Amino acid sequence: AQSVTQLDSQVPVFEEAPVELRCNYSSSVSVYLFWYVQYPNQGLQLLLKYLSGSTLVKGINGFEAEFNKSQTSFHLRKPSVHISDTAEYFCAVSTMDTGRRALTFGSGTRLQVQP
Amino acid sequence: DAGITQSPRHKVTETGTPVTLRCHQTENHRYMYWYRQDPGHGLRLIHYSYGVKDTDKGEVSDGYSVSRSKTEDFLLTLESATSSQTSVYFCAIRTGDNYGYTFGSGTRLTVV
Repeated sequence: AQSVTQLDSQVPVFEEAPVELRCNYSSSVSVYLFWYVQYPNQGLQLLLKYLSGSTLVKGINGFEAEFNKSQTSFHLRKPSVHISDTAEYFCAVSTMDTGRRALTFGSGTRLQVQP
Repeated sequence: DAGITQSPRHKVTETGTPVTLRCHQTENHRYMYWYRQDPGHGLRLIHYSYGVKDTDKGEVSDGYSVSRSKTEDFLLTLESATSSQTSVYFCAIRTGDNYGYTFGSGTRLTVV
C-alpha cells in the first residue's frame, strides 16, 4: 500500500513571496504523483502531475514541482504567490499497476497568502 | 472536459435513516470513485467501480455500500446514517490512460 505525508498543515506567506509545500510518499512500487488545489467550497482541480520523464514538472498558475525518487518527495513550489492562491493543496499518488488505479491523498496543506 | 455531476449538493438527515448519493457522468469512463473529505484527513477512498456491477472496497468502506447498474451512474448508500458520516463526499472518474481524474463538486452531508 502507498501513503502520502504532507508535512505542513498550514503555510502562511506574504503576497509576492516564494512558497514551497512539502510532500513525501511511501510505496513499494513505482508511482505517479499529483498536486491538486481546492478553493473554498469547490471541488478539486489538477495543478500538475508527474508520470515519467523530466523530474521538474510545470503546472497551471505558475506552480511547479520536482520529483525526487531518492528522497521520495514531490514538493510544490511557486516563486511569487498571489492572494488568489489562498486555498488548500493536496498531494496524491497512484501506483503503476492494473488494479483500482485510485488516488491516495495526503492530509492537505492550507496556503494562506497575506497582503 | 468530462461531465460529472453529484446530487444532492447538500443534505441534512437524521441518525439511523438511509441516504443515497448519486454520481452521474456524461461519458463512458470505466473507473468511478467515491471519496470522503474530512479536516486533517484529506480525501479517503470509500468504494470504487471498474465497470457495470463491478465494485470494490476502499480504505473506509464500513457503513457504506455502492451500486453501478449503468455505466453513467455510481450510487453511494449509507444504510443507516451515523454522525461520524457527516462529511463532504466527492465522486471522481478516471478519464483516460494518461491518469486523468475529474472530480465532482461534492455533496455536503450532515447527520444530526
